[in-house]
Amino acid sequence: DGGITQSPKYLFRKEGQNVTLSCEQNLNHDAMYWYRQDPGQGLRLIYYSQIVNDFQKGDIAEGYSVSREKKESFPLTVTSAQKNPTAFYLCASSSRQGDTGELFFGEGSRLTVL
Amino acid sequence: GDSVTQMEGPVTLSEEAFLTINCTYTATGYPSLFWYVQYPGEGLQLLLKATKADDKGSNKGFEATYRKETTSFHLEKGSVQVSDSAVYFCALSFQGAQKLVFGQGTRLTINP
Repeated sequence: DGGITQSPKYLFRKEGQNVTLSCEQNLNHDAMYWYRQDPGQGLRLIYYSQIVNDFQKGDIAEGYSVSREKKESFPLTVTSAQKNPTAFYLCASSSRQGDTGELFFGEGSRLTVL
Repeated sequence: GDSVTQMEGPVTLSEEAFLTINCTYTATGYPSLFWYVQYPGEGLQLLLKATKADDKGSNKGFEATYRKETTSFHLEKGSVQVSDSAVYFCALSFQGAQKLVFGQGTRLTINP
């Protein structure tokens, strides 16, 4: 089945540690995205990538980093510089050919900083 | 900038009640409009969409009509079920922009 796989589903981190969230898609989509979801605030865009080896900052990129070395993969690193990293993180992808704005989402990763 | 505003939640209804979740947007131009649904513990999935004024999107008994004159895209369902309990997000995007702008989400709970 085609889809987006995020891992791990739950992650705990001590303050000062970097963590990397995995996102893999087998939909052959060009574009991939990372969103952060906080209660009552909807989804906010962290980073997005429209093509391999290229990515752009979203609205809340500070304290995060990404890479896009392969079309299928778009990992997100939450660095120690992120002041409030506890949140639900959602990865998504879309087909540039479709260009309708429709996103396909993974099931999310919940990060808790202890 | 572009933005989406949804009615404040949470919304609690009884089974078979009529549902309306309001959504209005602010944008320069004419975006495509979407409703996404998030069931507990899951990611978001597209519920319905409309790409131009007066279009009606529909799916699973839900409907929403793109109203340019009121910049609105309200979600409706005639008879809700317990299984409709979820968080609903209204969103917009522009052709070629490849980015979605989301509202804050409305949590819906349906009681049997």
